Amino acid sequence: QKEVEQDPGPLSVPEGAIVSLNCTYSNSAFQYFMWYRQYSRKGPELLMYTYSSGNKEDGRFTAQVDKSSKYISLFIRDSQPSDSATYLCAMSQGGKLIFGQGTELSVKP
Amino acid sequence: DSGVTQTPKHLITATGQRVTLRCSPRSGDLSVYWYQQSLDQGLQFLIQYYNGEERAKGNILERFSAQQFPDLHSELNLSSLELGDSALYFCASSEGTSGAARYNEQFFGPGTRLTVL
Repeated sequence: QKEVEQDPGPLSVPEGAIVSLNCTYSNSAFQYFMWYRQYSRKGPELLMYTYSSGNKEDGRFTAQVDKSSKYISLFIRDSQPSDSATYLCAMSQGGKLIFGQGTELSVKP
Repeated sequence: DSGVTQTPKHLITATGQRVTLRCSPRSGDLSVYWYQQSLDQGLQFLIQYYNGEERAKGNILERFSAQQFPDLHSELNLSSLELGDSALYFCASSEGTSGAARYNEQFFGPGTRLTVL
């Protein structure tokens, strides 16, 4: 079993929809949780960064962490075609990042 | 633009050869990380350097080595290349190492695409 599990999708939604992306993890020692966005053949771009449990909002993006369930989520409101990319969750362990497989998202106009 | 630069963008070489990938971190960042991204394994941590010293090691093959120089740029050396080494190699940098929250924010470069024929 992988330390971080993420549904690879692909996920296709219409423009304006609310998107929900999720990851589960097995190591209860993780404290720092991140979401990266990666466009095709580009470097991952840090979107959201959360420490411990709780919610964090930044514009159309909301990150949630539930440490009791070992479950993290990223919500995208009013999704746009420009949001089409692969979204990777990541967890920090002693400095290194452990990534999920990534979810491929397509937002259709 | 994350501020992390990597060269070259693309590299095509043959099995058995040796290559060097180069990374310059964001201004002020002391930590450099190397990751490998392949279709079957996803994004995997290889190694971390902090201010010139090795800090953490992942599943890095013995044929691979890295170093960080006094000016903080880093190089990843891959030798005796095999077909399976074909992948995207990313460098990331952060302000520090583990500890304060902001030290964990890693910013990625554009990557080097390695093709081994």
